[in-house]
Amino acid sequence: RKEVEQDPGPFNVPEGATVAFNCTYSNSASQSFFWYRQDCRKEPKLLMSVYSSGNEDGRFTAQLNRASQYISLLIRDSKLSDSATYLCVVNAVFQGAQKLVFGQGTRLTINP
Amino acid sequence: GAVVSQHPSRVICKSGTSVKIECRSLDFQATTMFWYRQFPKQSLMLMATSNEGSKATYEQGVEKDKFLINHASLTLSTLTVTSAHPEDSSFYICSVNDEQFFGPGTRLTVL
Repeated sequence: RKEVEQDPGPFNVPEGATVAFNCTYSNSASQSFFWYRQDCRKEPKLLMSVYSSGNEDGRFTAQLNRASQYISLLIRDSKLSDSATYLCVVNAVFQGAQKLVFGQGTRLTINP
Repeated sequence: GAVVSQHPSRVICKSGTSVKIECRSLDFQATTMFWYRQFPKQSLMLMATSNEGSKATYEQGVEKDKFLINHASLTLSTLTVTSAHPEDSSFYICSVNDEQFFGPGTRLTVL
C-alpha cells in the first residue's frame, strides 16, 4: 500500500465549478499535512497546510480527518489558472528522521 | 523572488558520463537540503537528505556511490549522477530546510 494515495484523475471541469480531491495516508504517526500545486514541468509549490480543524484560504478549503487518515481539498469557483497537478503531502517521522511523502498527484484541467 | 536556485535547468548527456547538479539557497542558510527525483506522471521521491558538513543520508534503494552528494557550505549542495544511464533520466528537485521551498528542478536526459 502506498504511504499517500490520491486519485490521479484527470479531472476535467468547467470554469466556475467546484471540485474536490481526496487523499489517504497510511502512517498514523504522521504529523503535518499539506497540499502542493505543481504546474507542468515545474517544481511543486506549497498551496496550503492542512489543520485538524479545517482551514480555508480564499476559494480553497482543506480538511483533515485523523481518525480516517483522510485529507481533502475543495476548490470553489474554479479558474482556468487552477489547472495543475495537486499533490497531497504528509510529513512523517521515519527511522528517526522527518521526511515529506508525496502522493502521486491529481491532475486538474479547468475548461473555458 | 526565488529562494532556491538550481543549475543547470536542463541537461542532455551521453550514457556513461557524470552530471553535476547544483542547489543554492539564496536568501538564508540551509543546514539541510533534500534531493528528490520525479519520473513522468509519478510522485516526487526523496532520494537523500544532505546535511552541511556531514555525510548525506540516503533513502532505501538509492545508491550512494552513484548519486554523490556534497553539502560543503550553508548555501550550496551538489548532486552528481555518476556514470549516468538512460534510466536515470528524470526531473531532479532540491528543497531546503523546512522543505516548503523547492528549487526549479533540473531535467536530466541521458541518451
